[in-house]
Amino acid sequence: QTVVTQEPSLTVSPGGTVTLTCACSTGAVTSHYYPNWFQLKPGQAPRALIYSTDNKHSWTPARFSGSLLGGKAALTVSGVQPGDEAEYYCLLYYDDTWVFGGGTKLTVL
Amino acid sequence: QVQLQESGPGLVKPSETLSLTCTVSGGSMSHYYWSWIRQPPGKGLEWIGYIYYSGSTKYDPSLKSRVNISVDTSKNKFSLKLSSVTAADTAVYYCARSGGTEWGYWGQGTLVTVSS
Repeated sequence: QTVVTQEPSLTVSPGGTVTLTCACSTGAVTSHYYPNWFQLKPGQAPRALIYSTDNKHSWTPARFSGSLLGGKAALTVSGVQPGDEAEYYCLLYYDDTWVFGGGTKLTVL
Repeated sequence: QVQLQESGPGLVKPSETLSLTCTVSGGSMSHYYWSWIRQPPGKGLEWIGYIYYSGSTKYDPSLKSRVNISVDTSKNKFSLKLSSVTAADTAVYYCARSGGTEWGYWGQGTLVTVSS
């Protein structure tokens, strides 16, 4: 069974930059895994941020960007704001199925 | 603006079948994939499966034997049935739309508790 691994938690200061990563047990993540990133806040519908590695939705703030980094998918948040405190999940496509990562709890302190 | 809304019983007895419906508004169901995802309390997201608007399906292997997803494009709805539920199936269930590799809109989610 495919396992997708994210950092369980990260802390960043307001105004800072943080990178969240997403690794796959099958090997290096490539563009063919079509990485998607989502933001979850309590009581709200999950919000899609990035699709197919580095593409933003019309509603995605410019400070969020996606990339491939060292064999992993990555989500970078620049100029972090207090409202960015949330859980972030990556989603990968492998072997004709979708697999979520375990999620990263991002704290803004 | 596309909106998705989950509906169904919030309480299901063990061994029974969980049934949820997702109503889509603000857009057509054509040419999109329609997924179900769940999040058990205190745990991460889990993809359950999807149905293409034409009716083809794909399920997570670990749930495949218990899951059925169906679609009614004339009513702009798709549904989830999960049989033989146990307490481990207690979760917030979400529905979502993807255009192949691009995941976009999600519903607010609905909590389903499995308990006698």
